[in-house]
Amino acid sequence: QVHLQQSGPGLVKPSQTLSLTCAISGDSVSSNSAAWNWIRQSPSRGLEWLGRTYYRSNWYSDYAVSVKSRITINPDTSKNQFSLQLSSVTPEDTAVYYCAREWLREDAFDIWGQGTMVTVSS
Amino acid sequence: DIQMTQSPSSLSASVGDRVTITCRASQSISSYLNWYQQKPGKAPNLLIYAASSLQSGVPSRFSGSGSGTDFTLTISSLQPEDFATYYCQQSYSTPPWTFGQGTKLEIK
Repeated sequence: QVHLQQSGPGLVKPSQTLSLTCAISGDSVSSNSAAWNWIRQSPSRGLEWLGRTYYRSNWYSDYAVSVKSRITINPDTSKNQFSLQLSSVTPEDTAVYYCAREWLREDAFDIWGQGTMVTVSS
Repeated sequence: DIQMTQSPSSLSASVGDRVTITCRASQSISSYLNWYQQKPGKAPNLLIYAASSLQSGVPSRFSGSGSGTDFTLTISSLQPEDFATYYCQQSYSTPPWTFGQGTKLEIK
């Protein structure tokens, strides 16, 4: 059974970097059948896909244009996890952040982390 | 980006009712359309993928149909645990993946 466990701070100061980690159990971050995504949800923006990382002989990543200059999603094969870093945050980045597995056989997000409420405030 | 528009935004219904939610894409997405259910304080849960395929473990009262730009999610006989918010999401071609704004299903 695949499980995603998120960790990271719930409060970040404006202009600083938001950092979250998603630990994977029951699957591998290096799987050729999955991609590993970050999605956020806020009342003003709804569900917003932020980006993903995946392995297909090499590592690749895709990012949403809205955050492309500020976001990095990295795999960590030694710990079987992946991370989100979002720099120069503002209060508009306040949201619940989710990690999710994109299962390529279904082209859908079939497994989600528990969510982390991140507030950007001084 | 492909825009996804759901209707209605909210819906009141009773246990046992048949309910239909609609999702429209701003361009053709073939059958690359997924449906999720979300309950308060929880992550979304995949119900339907590829427009009409039922995710493992999801009750058969849920069904999906459509292709191209117009899609529907139908709940054949509402159960108390079905009152939640439902989202569509497109996975056509390449990212960015986009979601509808959600349909909140409430008890009448």
